[in-house]
Amino acid sequence: GNSVTQMEGPVTLSEEAFLTINCTYTATGYPSLFWYVQYPGEGLQLLLKATKADDKGSNKGFEATYRKETTSFHLEKGSVQVSDSAVYFCALSLPSGYSTLTFGKGTMLLVSP
Amino acid sequence: DAMVIQNPRYQVTQFGKPVTLSCSQTLNHNVMYWYQQKSSQAPKLLFHYYDKDFNNEADTPDNFQSRRPNTSFCFLDIRSPGLGDAAMYLCATKTANTEAFFGQGTRLTVV
Repeated sequence: GNSVTQMEGPVTLSEEAFLTINCTYTATGYPSLFWYVQYPGEGLQLLLKATKADDKGSNKGFEATYRKETTSFHLEKGSVQVSDSAVYFCALSLPSGYSTLTFGKGTMLLVSP
Repeated sequence: DAMVIQNPRYQVTQFGKPVTLSCSQTLNHNVMYWYQQKSSQAPKLLFHYYDKDFNNEADTPDNFQSRRPNTSFCFLDIRSPGLGDAAMYLCATKTANTEAFFGQGTRLTVV
């Protein structure tokens, strides 16, 4: 079956530190890959996505590259801010247009001033 | 600007008292999803509609029902809430060529 594995948190960083959150996946076919962010008490917001191998998704200083050879989609940011503190979910969906999302367990990021 | 709207944001219900959560969308997406998210966990899919076709996940308890009277609205009914049903409930919509769009969620407390 399809699955997503994320590094466990919490990840605790100081402001302006470099962030990496690892995500690997298992899927039949060639999935689309997503990072969603959830701020406390809120729903999920799409942060970035990539639909095919070697695509790089980017948004708000965050980046992730779809690596088919390593089945990975690691999230990176060069300089985190306190406002980036949230839970980050890696997810995949299969190419079929109406495929449901498979989520990882989420990684909490805590950024201190 | 909100495209997927869930009401209410916070719902308190009594043990065993039926409760309904609502979701509306302005995107005209034909797929709508309901997820349950417990504390510090990933969202868990309960069911989804593809147009009017209802698709129930195999492990969704019978206590959970859903209605979709039209494209814009979808309801989650919990017939007899138990303490274990306290969670954040997330509605999402999608069409073939887009990612899923989520609402703000409804936080359900069972007392």
